Amino acid sequence: DQQVKQNSPSLSVQEGRISILNCDYTNSMFDYFLWYKKYPAEGPTFLISISSIKDKNEDGRFTVFLNKSAKHLSLHIVPSQPGDSAVYFCAASVDDMRFGAGTRLTVKP
Amino acid sequence: NAGVTQTPKFRVLKTGQSMTLLCAQDMNHEYMYWYRQDPGMGLRLIHYSVGEGTTAKGEVPDGYNVSRLKKQNFLLGLESAAPSQTSVYFCASSYMSGGAMGEQFFGPGTRLTVL
Repeated sequence: DQQVKQNSPSLSVQEGRISILNCDYTNSMFDYFLWYKKYPAEGPTFLISISSIKDKNEDGRFTVFLNKSAKHLSLHIVPSQPGDSAVYFCAASVDDMRFGAGTRLTVKP
Repeated sequence: NAGVTQTPKFRVLKTGQSMTLLCAQDMNHEYMYWYRQDPGMGLRLIHYSVGEGTTAKGEVPDGYNVSRLKKQNFLLGLESAAPSQTSVYFCASSYMSGGAMGEQFFGPGTRLTVL
């Protein structure tokens, strides 16, 4: 029972353009959402989060949008840089945290 | 300040062998977690602990045992390894279990292969 879904296993964008990573969830009880970034041979690291009482949170080039009615979360990276190439995991929590399967982002120079 | 460390980084086992993975954190976090990562499955919670001396089952606990004898350490044991347990294992810790303080800090992972 995957409560958090990332339906795009991979995404490729050109340097300088916008990257949009999407995430859907099924449990309406989730009250906090996070994005983690993972480089090869390393553990995931926290990137940005949003509470369910907000619909947008911005941190530099990274913005997370939350649409509660659609149970949809997205991460925007503008402008994308080659160093952003990594696997991005969406996560949602209430008492425990559930992760999506991840989206591999490749930013081409 | 090392954060979360995991030992070993790699291990190859034969079916039926046992082993223990060690996780240590120096952030004084109450909560600790063990996940496994498999292709197309994301991170799945095996067991977790809400404090020293406590453990609880996650999504996929079968075939694993855990212990949290000290606040800074969380051990994951495989009593009789099976090929289905071939995976990358991540340990994580957090100050709280959810909300703004629930951000989890991850170790670098242990790649386990069971032949």
